Amino acid sequence: KAGVTQTPRYLIKTRGQQVTLSCSPISGHRSVSWYQQTPGQGLQFLFEYFSETQRNKGNFPGRFSGRQFSNSRSEMNVSTLELGDSALYLCASSSPAAVETFGSGTRLTVV
Amino acid sequence: DQQVKQNSPSLSVQEGRISILNCDYTNSMFDYFLWYKKYPAEGPTFLISISSIKDKNEDGRFTVFLNKSAKHLSLHIVPSQPGDSAVYFCAASHGSSNTGKLIFGQGTTLQVKP
Repeated sequence: KAGVTQTPRYLIKTRGQQVTLSCSPISGHRSVSWYQQTPGQGLQFLFEYFSETQRNKGNFPGRFSGRQFSNSRSEMNVSTLELGDSALYLCASSSPAAVETFGSGTRLTVV
Repeated sequence: DQQVKQNSPSLSVQEGRISILNCDYTNSMFDYFLWYKKYPAEGPTFLISISSIKDKNEDGRFTVFLNKSAKHLSLHIVPSQPGDSAVYFCAASHGSSNTGKLIFGQGTTLQVKP
């Protein structure tokens, strides 16, 4: 059974640009969550999508957004990038029978 | 507002000994707790979980203890092995086990010395 797949693995962007990250959940998992990991703040919850609807949202500015498609794949978008957005972005999927399983993450560097 | 806290940033133990990682939480609504292990450049890997209706859950070398009155949980690894060296995160959620919103602690880096 394939795990959670995140693309790309690494990304370098310039301040002010926008970026889109992609996540393919485990087959059959309909919930997809996104987290940001930084050295200073640890792992912080961004948002969760279930059946194409945002079900939970963390405490991040509106520059961070996401969506989920009918096949449960999800994307997150960060607009007007800031240096502080440099982080490892992790996606996790889950189902009623399975706890959150994480992908390997996308390492975003903003320069 | 740090609802889940791991007050020890690092821990070093000798191979074969017990590793005890601690976690405290403040939100009494949390009813499901998980431990994840993370290696550099990889995503966290689920280790073990416990529901608030239990006070202990065991899986092989890993045991999680929950003290609800103290709002404290701990992960015991016995015996510790060098391959256990990683960052360990505790996480909590409320509502159900799979709300998709986990609140994580800051992590504890465990080093197991051969």
